[in-house]
Amino acid sequence: GAVVSQHPSRVICKSGTSVKIECRSLDFQATTMFWYRQFPKQSLMLMATSNEGSKATYEQGVEKDKFLINHASLTLSTLTVTSAHPEDSSFYICSVSGGRETQYFGPGTRLLVL
Amino acid sequence: GDSVTQMEGPVTLSEEAFLTINCTYTATGYPSLFWYVQYPGEGLQLLLKATKADDKGSNKGFEATYRKETTSFHLEKGSVQVSDSAVYFCALSDLRGGSNYKLTFGKGTLLTVNP
Repeated sequence: GAVVSQHPSRVICKSGTSVKIECRSLDFQATTMFWYRQFPKQSLMLMATSNEGSKATYEQGVEKDKFLINHASLTLSTLTVTSAHPEDSSFYICSVSGGRETQYFGPGTRLLVL
Repeated sequence: GDSVTQMEGPVTLSEEAFLTINCTYTATGYPSLFWYVQYPGEGLQLLLKATKADDKGSNKGFEATYRKETTSFHLEKGSVQVSDSAVYFCALSDLRGGSNYKLTFGKGTLLTVNP
């Protein structure tokens, strides 16, 4: 399967700042990528579906102006948490679509907003 | 909407013990069912899947059977090893609009296997 990396693996920031998280598909051209967030002891919740070269599709309840997604190439998608607040602290996970129901997941990024 | 419920952990077993992690689902269509595993510090990996009723998915000694009548997909392994220690996620996939499939996950079950 595809190898997916995320950077950074952990980030701590002050409230009000913006944080960018990168998701890279190292050996696979990813037309579609997904972004999830996971709260402690909760399931992964899909935030948005990102298609290369077009606007992301956000799930209901996810603020697209707060969680900016850019998928400018077949190997890179970025998630920017703008004006982060403590309630945005979470574990953010990306995945790459391998076609149909197959997804390859990154290791996740732990965000802590102080 | 679709949902997945799996047994809460953590689950702690001794090596060579029998493992069952229960998973039930609700879905409007005919979903495919999955078990993903997440080892410490790594991303989720597909462990096994089943795409229709009565299918059995299996991998690395783990098995799960798609039971439509009970809407279940319980994960089992006859003899666990220390290296099986990880978080296990049950999930279903449903086609939504165009060709995009959406994965819906359970909360995950932490398994710890002691030597």
